[in-house]
Amino acid sequence: DAKTTQPNSMESNEEEPVHLPCNHSTISGTDYIHWYRQLPSQGPEYVIHGLTSNVNNRMASLAIAEDRKSSTLILHRATLRDAAVYYCILRTIAGGTSYGKLTFGQGTILTVHP
Amino acid sequence: EAEVAQSPRYKITEKSQAVAFWCDPISGHATLYWYRQILGQGPELLVQFQDESVVDDSQLPKDRFSAERLKGVDSTLKIQPAELGDSAMYLCASSLERGPYEQYFGPGTRLTVT
Repeated sequence: DAKTTQPNSMESNEEEPVHLPCNHSTISGTDYIHWYRQLPSQGPEYVIHGLTSNVNNRMASLAIAEDRKSSTLILHRATLRDAAVYYCILRTIAGGTSYGKLTFGQGTILTVHP
Repeated sequence: EAEVAQSPRYKITEKSQAVAFWCDPISGHATLYWYRQILGQGPELLVQFQDESVVDDSQLPKDRFSAERLKGVDSTLKIQPAELGDSAMYLCASSLERGPYEQYFGPGTRLTVT
């Protein structure tokens, strides 16, 4: 499985934008970039995903580099409820034994200050 | 909004005892996953079901762990005998189909083995 690299932790102030980086230099053409987050004492939840183009939804935006070797999850206005561990995960559409599973790394612990 | 249900939420057991966890996925979801999350780490896939069939159990310690999804709906994960190192959060997730689809996670079962 292609690997991702994220900073261990980041901090932000409430109502400010947050940019969470992810490096995935070995990404293949059949890999989608997914982001999940895990709030304290809860199961992970889906945030957003993309392939090549930038994506927006109600939770966040995903900016993907032109060479696809890195991406950035953008929270436009952080709230206290956004404090969580954010996971950047590559998911293949190519099939195989690992088809469908999420391979979590350590993720980035986001702290939001009031 | 439909949710993945898990029970119990918390379980304390003594080592060498048997323990079982139950998961009810979102209705209509063909794929069901069991993950284990050790404190401070990301979740790790234990087993993946497509309907009632196991499609990936490569990380399941088969000498003591078993999982079933008899009618392709709810699922049970069993540990017998439990060991101290099994203390972790056990998360169930489901998705519409196998592949890079959004996974919906339950709240998890926190297992403590004493």
